[in-house]
Amino acid sequence: DQQVKQNSPSLSVQEGRISILNCDYTNSMFDYFLWYKKYPAEGPTFLISISSIKDKNEDGRFTVFLNKSAKHLSLHIVPSQPGDSAVYFCAASESGGATNKLIFGTGTLLAVQP
Amino acid sequence: DGGITQSPKYLFRKEGQNVTLSCEQNLNHDAMYWYRQDPGQGLRLIYYSQIVNDFQKGDIAEGYSVSREKKESFPLTVTSAQKNPTAFYLCASSYRTNQPQHFGDGTRLSIL
Repeated sequence: DQQVKQNSPSLSVQEGRISILNCDYTNSMFDYFLWYKKYPAEGPTFLISISSIKDKNEDGRFTVFLNKSAKHLSLHIVPSQPGDSAVYFCAASESGGATNKLIFGTGTLLAVQP
Repeated sequence: DGGITQSPKYLFRKEGQNVTLSCEQNLNHDAMYWYRQDPGQGLRLIYYSQIVNDFQKGDIAEGYSVSREKKESFPLTVTSAQKNPTAFYLCASSYRTNQPQHFGDGTRLSIL
């Protein structure tokens, strides 16, 4: 039972345009969400997070939107750059939980074309 | 320069052999984690430790063991009981709960 789903394995976008990566979750107890970026043969790098008390969080070119009623979050990258090409993972956790256990999606490979 | 160091980057194991993957952090984080990544899958939690001398099983702990004798170190042993050990192993740490986890660059384990 996959609690965090990224249904698009890959996405291709032109440089300068917007990239939108989507993530759905099933566990209503999740209240803390994160996005990570991963290059091949490297560990994931934390990008941005959002708590369930917010519906939007912005950091430079990266914005995460949270729709709690739909159990859906998305990562917007504007403008997209070739260096953004990587696998993006969303992750979720219960902030009140004792372990900070993150549940990861399967990832979306973003390719930004020059 | 603070960070998480995993070694070695590549590791080969013979059938029936135990191997130990190293993870060291100098971020002064209390919590440490081990994940496994397989092709086309997300990261799955093997073991985690919230404090020195304490650790808990994650979702796929069978065939693995850990120790947490020092705050900075959280080695993972892949035992011969792990029937499908070939994977990319990632170590992470976080200061406390509800804080982002920071990852090392991983160890790729292969079977000879």
